[in-house]
Amino acid sequence: SQQGEEDPQALSIQEGENATMNCSYKTSINNLQWYRQNSGRGLVHLILIRSNEREKHSGRLRVTLDTSKKSSSLLITASRAADTASYFCATKSGGGADGLTFGKGTHLIIQP
Amino acid sequence: NAGVTQTPKFQVLKTGQSMTLQCAQDMNHEYMSWYRQDPGMGLRLIHYSVGAGITDQGEVPNGYNVSRSTTEDFPLRLLSAAPSQTSVYFCASSYSAGDGYYGYTFGSGTRLTVV
Repeated sequence: SQQGEEDPQALSIQEGENATMNCSYKTSINNLQWYRQNSGRGLVHLILIRSNEREKHSGRLRVTLDTSKKSSSLLITASRAADTASYFCATKSGGGADGLTFGKGTHLIIQP
Repeated sequence: NAGVTQTPKFQVLKTGQSMTLQCAQDMNHEYMSWYRQDPGMGLRLIHYSVGAGITDQGEVPNGYNVSRSTTEDFPLRLLSAAPSQTSVYFCASSYSAGDGYYGYTFGSGTRLTVV
């Protein structure tokens, strides 16, 4: 069953604008991760935020986590055409090895 | 290049046939897993392994078998293919970081069609 749900399902913006995607989840988590998937390719890990963290940055990426609302957001600043991809949030519940639970993804299109 | 290698990239099977999807990683990761990705469904965990000789079931294990005889390899076997197993299959690996497994590295996927 899906734990994370991304919003919106699809997003189209102009190159240079900022893109914000949201993820909501249902149960308590150990950490939350964001992945990018280009068309026809595997997923690429972007950033991980632990449950005791509220914000993390990596280059043009900014992730926030609000455990009280069970939600996270991914902000991509100064978007580029190469950012066109699907973005997935994935949650890890507990410290065990039972895998990540993925949402259905946000499809981001950057218009040149 | 270091990473996760999946073979084949594409496969067409007839209903009832069996096959093995191969996955190999050269990063000495303890953790390996198989996911399937279906349109509008996100990724769902099939099986996973935390080390050689240790495997466990994920969310959708029925119809699939796995084994882990070495750290590097984690093959996924379809016992008797069904059209419902038409999907894109991804293998992923990760390292152990004390309190969990992080930063999965994914292979490029195997696109399987069962007719």
